[in-house]
Amino acid sequence: KQEVTQIPAALSVPEGENLVLNCSFTDSAIYNLQWFRQDPGKGLTSLLLIQSSQREQTSGRLNASLDKSSGRSTLYIAASQPGDSATYLCAVSSLYGNKLVFGAGTILRVKS
Amino acid sequence: DVKVTQSSRYLVKRTGEKVFLECVQDMDHENMFWYRQDPGLGLRLIYFSYDVKMKEKGDIPEGYSVSREKKERFSLILESASTNQTSMYLCASSLGLRGQHTEAFFGQGTRLTVV
Repeated sequence: KQEVTQIPAALSVPEGENLVLNCSFTDSAIYNLQWFRQDPGKGLTSLLLIQSSQREQTSGRLNASLDKSSGRSTLYIAASQPGDSATYLCAVSSLYGNKLVFGAGTILRVKS
Repeated sequence: DVKVTQSSRYLVKRTGEKVFLECVQDMDHENMFWYRQDPGLGLRLIYFSYDVKMKEKGDIPEGYSVSREKKERFSLILESASTNQTSMYLCASSLGLRGQHTEAFFGQGTRLTVV
């Protein structure tokens, strides 16, 4: 059974810092991996999607990498801003299944 | 932009009531999903559908049913609401072959309270 773990559970950084969020998964037979952002009381906003054949994806100040063989992904946020404060979730889609399996998320707080 | 719209942001229902949560997507996606999100438990899949009138159970289907009569609409039904179904409910859709995901898009969530 696929399990997804996110480290750290919470992170507090000063504005302007570069930071890395980690996601690991137990079964490397994935179709893709997706990073989401969730603001309190709201739905999930898709940030980046990495197909299993890709190594990384970039969008603005965000860069996500994928190492399928080791079961790891990282989300790099450059020059963090207070507006980046949110919960970040990663989710993997199984090659053989029909659902996204989510990690518990990392709660990020960027202090001004 | 893909838009997934859930019919209500907040809902308060009484124990034993039949509750309908509606979700509509506007991008002709084949796959639609219902999740619930609880503190400490994360997101858990209730049901999903990969085509009209098709449905499959997720991890926690007990106490729920679903309906997909049209491609753009996926309804979650609580047959007899109970207090342990108080939760945030999230609908999602994605394009793709049977069950295989491309990018998934989520609605804004429905906070359901059962009293």
